[in-house]
Amino acid sequence: KAGVTQTPRYLIKTRGQQVTLSCSPISGHRSVSWYQQTPGQGLQFLFEYFSETQRNKGNFPGRFSGRQFSNSRSEMNVSTLELGDSALYLCASSPIDRERYEQYFGPGTRLTVT
Amino acid sequence: GEDVEQSLFLSVREGDSSVINCTYTDSSSTYLYWYKQEPGAGLQLLTYIFSNMDMKQDQRLTVLLNKKDKHLSLRIADTQTGDSAIYFCAERRDYKLSFGAGTTVTVRA
Repeated sequence: KAGVTQTPRYLIKTRGQQVTLSCSPISGHRSVSWYQQTPGQGLQFLFEYFSETQRNKGNFPGRFSGRQFSNSRSEMNVSTLELGDSALYLCASSPIDRERYEQYFGPGTRLTVT
Repeated sequence: GEDVEQSLFLSVREGDSSVINCTYTDSSSTYLYWYKQEPGAGLQLLTYIFSNMDMKQDQRLTVLLNKKDKHLSLRIADTQTGDSAIYFCAERRDYKLSFGAGTTVTVRA
């Protein structure tokens, strides 16, 4: 079974632009979560989706948004990019029968804002 | 994720056992995790334990949980060079994971 895939793997954007990152969960998984990883703040939770509904949201500004499609694929969008948004963005998916305790991560998208 | 605390560095000789420690704060029943991250990669789920358990063993990995002290440890037996990585402890709250800062494990020959 293929793992969580994220596209693109690397991205360079300029301050003020917007960006959309994509995540395809493991087949059969319906829960998708997003995390931001930076050297200064570590791993921080962004949001979690299940069946196209956002169930939980972290403490990030409204510039960060996400959505989930009916096939469980998810996208996150960051508008008006700031230098501090440079990070590794990780997506994770959970199996429907074990969503309470298993999360599998993708390789991440490395975003650099210049 | 600052409620979960880990030591930042661990150096271990190849073939020895590694022990990585973590403290968490949630006193309710929860799942606790160990993830491994190699350079340039995402997080690999190593193992997890429910907070009503004391121990879990999975091949070279042993997780010990002291619920009274909210202390979690991961022991890696017969540490190999491929075990060099950053190890994250995490606890589950609601639908999210709260991570520690990560312990960088360096395996020396």
